[in-house]
Amino acid sequence: GDQVEQSPSALSLHEGTDSALRCNFTTTMRSVQWFRQNSRGSLISLFYLASGTKENGRLKSAFDSKERRYSTLHIRDAQLEDSGTYFCAALNTGYQNFYFGKGTSLTVIP
Amino acid sequence: NAGVIQTPRHKVTGKGQEATLWCEPISGHSAVFWYRQTIVQGLEFLTYFRNQAPIDDSGMPKERFSAQMPNQSHSTLKIQSTQPQDSAVYLCASSLEPSAETLYFGSGTRLTVL
Repeated sequence: GDQVEQSPSALSLHEGTDSALRCNFTTTMRSVQWFRQNSRGSLISLFYLASGTKENGRLKSAFDSKERRYSTLHIRDAQLEDSGTYFCAALNTGYQNFYFGKGTSLTVIP
Repeated sequence: NAGVIQTPRHKVTGKGQEATLWCEPISGHSAVFWYRQTIVQGLEFLTYFRNQAPIDDSGMPKERFSAQMPNQSHSTLKIQSTQPQDSAVYLCASSLEPSAETLYFGSGTRLTVL
């Protein structure tokens, strides 16, 4: 079965608003990475976390350090260029492989 | 650093033909991954190599698909007797170390089987 459950599957935000995406893992994971896929299909890495939180501009990500079973991506003051599909990928502790969520399609509306 | 390079960007084949997709990982990266992306299935893991050795091919369809990494500078994914359901974007990624580092993706090869 799916090791990573990502929510929501789709999201519309007005410019300037905030929101959060989430990935739940069915088992303990070593690390998580967040990507944005642009309109050309390129997957751009946003964050890599083995624990704690990281912040870059209006984006902030957190990885549950205690049980290591979920991660969040917060978007603050959403802008039109934030539109795209966001994926999380989790690295399994024993398997040395990355498991992807099904993505969140984000549309930022003027 | 040119990033992960995938060629061709687009490939169209007829049903039953063979398709070979190429990936050049970032120099010095020891891990190479292949994924397939479709609207319905999302991103599916296919296979991965570490230091050119195949480590996990659990995502590869058992028939018609094969992957190789003959040297540290490129990997190939070959699909024999392509079928329409093989149509997808095939993505290659590399990382310095699979357990500790960021995945870097190529731009993908869009395969269309007519």
